[in-house]
Amino acid sequence: SQTIHQWPATLVQPVGSPLSLECTVEGTSNPNLYWYRQAAGRGLQLLFYSVGIGQISSEVPQNLSASRPQDRQFILSSKKLLLSDSGFYLCAWSYLDRDNSPLHFGNGTRLTVT
Amino acid sequence: GDSVTQMEGPVTLSEEAFLTINCTYTATGYPSLFWYVQYPGEGLQLLLKATKADDKGSNKGFEATYRKETTSFHLEKGSVQVSDSAVYFCALTPLGTGNQFYFGTGTSLTVIP
Repeated sequence: SQTIHQWPATLVQPVGSPLSLECTVEGTSNPNLYWYRQAAGRGLQLLFYSVGIGQISSEVPQNLSASRPQDRQFILSSKKLLLSDSGFYLCAWSYLDRDNSPLHFGNGTRLTVT
Repeated sequence: GDSVTQMEGPVTLSEEAFLTINCTYTATGYPSLFWYVQYPGEGLQLLLKATKADDKGSNKGFEATYRKETTSFHLEKGSVQVSDSAVYFCALTPLGTGNQFYFGTGTSLTVIP
């Protein structure tokens, strides 16, 4: 079966510090990978998605970036965090080239920028 | 463009009450439709799905029917429990895109004993 791992679960970082959140998927190959952000009490905002190694699409211009160094690894980064980067970050995957494939989410990372 | 409109919450119900959370969508063609549930502090879990018109998705006592004529996918449960307290998201993926998903804004449900 497929599993998705996301870490860390919680993170408190000062403004201006760097960020690295990691996500890995097991049990499938060539997945679509996604990073979402969820502000407190609000809906989901798609940040990045990837259909393959090195292929990243950015949905929202900001000081965050994403990379996919391996097929099942997706990393969210920032060089300098802003207060507005606080939120709940969710990694997700879906099957490539399957129209009916749902998204499968990780357990999320709660980021607080102080 | 494609979108999902979900009833606003929060919704508060007594235990064993009937639940309906409305969801309507706008999409070209025949999208696949999903309901997700998010418990406090956790990620989203797929609750149920339907991939074509008149399909009924069901899981854990929850049901939703894909209604093409009314472009709706309302979530229902006959008797809610305290453990159903969570945020519920309706979502769609358009046919043929393979990687695009559209989510509603979420509906918070609180069930009181």
